[in-house]
Amino acid sequence: AQSVAQPEDQVNVAEGNPLTVKCTYSVSGNPYLFWYVQYPNRGLQFLLKYITGDNLVKGSYGFEAEFNKSQTSFHLKKPSALVSDSALYFCAVRDMLSGNTPLVFGKGTRLSVIA
Amino acid sequence: NAGVMQNPRHLVRRRGQEARLRCSPMKGHSHVYWYRQLPEEGLKFMVYLQKENIIDESGMPKERFSAEFPKEGPSILRIQQVVRGDSAAYFCASSPRDSSYNEQFFGPGTRLTVL
Repeated sequence: AQSVAQPEDQVNVAEGNPLTVKCTYSVSGNPYLFWYVQYPNRGLQFLLKYITGDNLVKGSYGFEAEFNKSQTSFHLKKPSALVSDSALYFCAVRDMLSGNTPLVFGKGTRLSVIA
Repeated sequence: NAGVMQNPRHLVRRRGQEARLRCSPMKGHSHVYWYRQLPEEGLKFMVYLQKENIIDESGMPKERFSAEFPKEGPSILRIQQVVRGDSAAYFCASSPRDSSYNEQFFGPGTRLTVL
């Protein structure tokens, strides 16, 4: 069975500081990993994904994530946070061998960037 | 290329009434997923459909809930005899054919309130 854990419900960061939102996963085989962001009263917007290759993935709005197979992690990072980055962030996983099946989402981490 | 469209955006029903939620996937997408989001929680998978077929309904409650994706027209999520516990945001996502590594594209959601 596939699962995702986002250990922090809330992350607070000062504007201009680096941010990290944590995600760990569990799959039987190799993972496809995704990050989404949700702004208030909106749907989810895709940020980035890891499929294969380079462990450091760059995505939208200056975000990046690092795939670490030994730690089964896929933490989201940004070098310098903006107040507009404040939102709810979701990590999701799909087992590479499971076909076009639904994504399994974490519970989400609320990021608050303080000016 | 219009994104995933959902309507209505907000729906208010009294207990015992029926709720019909509509989702039009992105052009060229033949896979549709429905998710439910309760306040302060992550997304929970409900059902996965392709045109005229239900592929996976393991997340759908056994009673009162049904979904379809006809050959023509939008996908419909139908909730009969709604109860207060059905109040949530319902999101639809779509993805292209043969795309186990592709991200899903989400609609803006329908917020259902049961009085």
